[in-house]
Amino acid sequence: SQQGEEDPQALSIQEGENATMNCSYKTSINNLQWYRQNSGRGLVHLILIRSNEREKHSGRLRVTLDTSKKSSSLLITASRAADTASYFCATSGANNLFFGTGTRLTVIP
Amino acid sequence: DVKVTQSSRYLVKRTGEKVFLECVQDMDHENMFWYRQDPGLGLRLIYFSYDVKMKEKGDIPEGYSVSREKKERFSLILESASTNQTSMYLCASSFRVVGSREQYFGPGTRLTVT
Repeated sequence: SQQGEEDPQALSIQEGENATMNCSYKTSINNLQWYRQNSGRGLVHLILIRSNEREKHSGRLRVTLDTSKKSSSLLITASRAADTASYFCATSGANNLFFGTGTRLTVIP
Repeated sequence: DVKVTQSSRYLVKRTGEKVFLECVQDMDHENMFWYRQDPGLGLRLIYFSYDVKMKEKGDIPEGYSVSREKKERFSLILESASTNQTSMYLCASSFRVVGSREQYFGPGTRLTVT
């Protein structure tokens, strides 16, 4: 399966702390994407990193990609209560994406 | 802003009923997708379409069919709903480029089959 796997499954931190979640995958990719899902809602695209990139930033988000280890990490700095959500990595196929099962992040005010 | 809308947020149907889930996008995207999301299983692709009247099976197409008569609209059909089709259904769309671009999701339809 090309599906990514996130780790940990759940993460609980205090507001202001950093949150790191990891994604591992099995096959070669064109790009890897991270999405956020607030409870009971659709997914929102956060960031895309291409296979030839190693690191990418967007606001408080930092994504790294290690294609030799087939892994990626998402770092959220200075977390806020509004960051409470599920986070999914998605690896690219030719025409579609393969999603992992997600990390549930809870930020405690 | 890209907008993807789904016809219902919540739907309750009886076993054996024919169910239509509608999805509309306003960004002229070529690709449209239907996923179902279940606890512990993540998102699983049911069908996708890369052009009008074109469709491709995803990972779990059994029990479902789709229709794409217009570029902006992609319908998911449950021919005879069963209780194991109780789930959250998510529609998404994207531009058609090599290597997959970001997908834009609708708010989801939570379907309960009793």
